[in-house]
Amino acid sequence: AQSVTQLGSHVSVSEGALVLLRCNYSSSVPPYLFWYVQYPNQGLQLLLKYTTGATLVKGINGFEAEFKKSETSFHLTKPSAHMSDAAEYFCAVSDQPGGYNKLIFGAGTRLAVHP
Amino acid sequence: EAQVTQNPRYLITVTGKKLTVTCSQNMNHEYMSWYRQDPGLGLRQIYYSMNVEVTDKGDVPEGYKVSRKEKRNFPLILESPSPNQTSLYFCASSLFGFGEPNTGELFFGEGSRLTVL
Repeated sequence: AQSVTQLGSHVSVSEGALVLLRCNYSSSVPPYLFWYVQYPNQGLQLLLKYTTGATLVKGINGFEAEFKKSETSFHLTKPSAHMSDAAEYFCAVSDQPGGYNKLIFGAGTRLAVHP
Repeated sequence: EAQVTQNPRYLITVTGKKLTVTCSQNMNHEYMSWYRQDPGLGLRQIYYSMNVEVTDKGDVPEGYKVSRKEKRNFPLILESPSPNQTSLYFCASSLFGFGEPNTGELFFGEGSRLTVL
C-alpha cells in the first residue's frame, strides 16, 4: 500500500535561507507525486507534481522538488525563503499506477519564516 | 472564476442532528472527492466520484453518505453526526473521470469546519 512520511511537523527558517521540506514515500507501483500548500483558512493549492519524465520538477513561487527513486524521496526546496512562504505543506502520492482514485497525503509540515 | 465552493464554511451542531455540506464546482470536472483533515493525520479521503452516478468509498467512509446526481454537485451527508466527526472537511475536483487515468491537479474548496457537540 502507498504511504507518505513527512519528516518534521514544524520547520523554521530565516528569511532568505534555504527551505528544505522532506518527503519519503512508499509505493508498490511507479508513483505520481505531488506537493500542495495550504495557507491559513484556505484550501490546498498545487505547488508541483511529478508524473513521468524529468526528475527535477519546478513549481510555482520558486519551489522545486526532485524525484529520487533509489531513495524513495521527493523533497521540496526553495533557495531563498520569503515571509509569504509561511504555510503548511503536504506531500501526496497516487494510489495506483498511471493516475489515482485518491491521493494519499502525508501529515503535513508547517513552515515558519522569521525575519 | 474557476472554483470549488463549499457551504457552510463553519458549523456547530449537536450529536444526531442530520446535516449536509454542499460542494459545487464550475469547471465541468468529472472527478470529485471529499477529504477530512485532522491534526497530525493529514488529509484522508472519505468518498470520491469518477462521474455522475458513480461513487465509491475512500479510506474513512463510516458515518458519511454522498450522492452525485449532477456533474457539478457532490454533497456530503452526515445522517447522525457524532463528536468524532468534528473535523475540517475539503471538497476537491479534477478534470479526469471514469475510464481515464486521473493525472490532473486536484482543485480544493476552502474547507468546512464542523464541530459536533
